[in-house]
Amino acid sequence: GENVEQHPSTLSVQEGDSAVIKCTYSDSASNYFPWYKQELGKGPQLIIDIRSNVGEKKDQRIAVTLNKTAKHFSLHITETQPEDSAVYFCAARDNAGNMLTFGGGTRLMVKP
Amino acid sequence: DTGVSQNPRHKITKRGQNVTFRCDPISEHNRLYWYRQTLGQGPEFLTYFQNEAQLEKSRLLSDRFSAERPKGSFSTLEIQRTEQGDSAMYLCASSPGQLTGELFFGEGSRLTVL
Repeated sequence: GENVEQHPSTLSVQEGDSAVIKCTYSDSASNYFPWYKQELGKGPQLIIDIRSNVGEKKDQRIAVTLNKTAKHFSLHITETQPEDSAVYFCAARDNAGNMLTFGGGTRLMVKP
Repeated sequence: DTGVSQNPRHKITKRGQNVTFRCDPISEHNRLYWYRQTLGQGPEFLTYFQNEAQLEKSRLLSDRFSAERPKGSFSTLEIQRTEQGDSAMYLCASSPGQLTGELFFGEGSRLTVL
């Protein structure tokens, strides 16, 4: 089955700096890669996603890049704000489209 | 609120007791998923339903776990003879279907087994 590795497990940045979180996946047939943000006591919420026919996608301060050959994808957050502090999860969906496999998470702390 | 609703939000039980969690998905969503999340880890897939049919179950779902979605709407997840290792957050998510991709998660049901 699919295996998703995520790094780093914790990331601390100063407000206004950029943050980058990286993930690798094992199943070359995976074709959908979402990123979720989870705040304390809440369920994960989708913040951005990318499909395998696209190399990059941007939405305001967040962007995701995908390298299918290397089987890795990254989340980039620019001009970080304290409210960006949360746990971020990457995920990959199998080709059958049946389920998401999640990475282990990155705890992002933005210091004011 | 038309999001995914889970009840109870917290459950504390003694080892050996049975517990049941309920999930009400977004009304027009035909796919419903159960995930388990332990502290500091990502969600792990347990099972999913397409309407009332349970189409896939993870190896994590031991014989003590059973999930149902009898009318294709709400779902229940029952854990029998709970063990301390069952302590986790149980997350429910729903999706309109395969093509859209996005899962909409509820806020979870936290289980503590003493």
